[in-house]
Amino acid sequence: AQSVTQLGSHVSVSEGALVLLRCNYSSSVPPYLFWYVQYPNQGLQLLLKYTSAATLVKGINGFEAEFKKSETSFHLTKPSAHMSDAAEYFCAVSKATGTASKLTFGTGTRLQVTL
Amino acid sequence: DGGITQSPKYLFRKEGQNVTLSCEQNLNHDAMYWYRQDPGQGLRLIYYSQIVNDFQKGDIAEGYSVSREKKESFPLTVTSAQKNPTAFYLCASSTDRTGTDTQYFGPGTRLTVL
Repeated sequence: AQSVTQLGSHVSVSEGALVLLRCNYSSSVPPYLFWYVQYPNQGLQLLLKYTSAATLVKGINGFEAEFKKSETSFHLTKPSAHMSDAAEYFCAVSKATGTASKLTFGTGTRLQVTL
Repeated sequence: DGGITQSPKYLFRKEGQNVTLSCEQNLNHDAMYWYRQDPGQGLRLIYYSQIVNDFQKGDIAEGYSVSREKKESFPLTVTSAQKNPTAFYLCASSTDRTGTDTQYFGPGTRLTVL
């Protein structure tokens, strides 16, 4: 079975500071990994995804994530936080089942950005 | 514009009533999904469908039913058998079976049981 663990349900950073959101995965097969962002009362939007190509993945809004197999991690980073980054972030792992790919989500990390 | 629409945005239900949530996509995607979101629990898969007239249970299917009569539409019915239906419901779609493709999400329906 696949799973993801997001450490820290709430993270607070100052505007301009480094953002680091942690995600560790468990998978018996090479995983496909995703980061999604959700603004209040909205759906999810893809930030970036790892599909076994480059281990450093760049996404939208200045975010990036690095796949580290030895650490089973896929942490999300952004060098300088902006107020508009305040949202909830979800890490997810995917496995094709033969009928449809299924995503298993982490419990989410709410990012607060302060002045 | 291509995308996924869900309606209604807010829905109130009395105990014992069935309600149906609508999900429509014009992305020409084969696969569609329903998730339930509760605070602190992330998203959990209710049902998914790869093709018309076929669907499979997800992790928390009890108390829910779906149909897939058209490629564009995947309605979810929350039945009276669902013991705690108050939640945020999200519909998604994707195009391939390899696991690498992005799932695109609708804006969600917030269901409240009165």
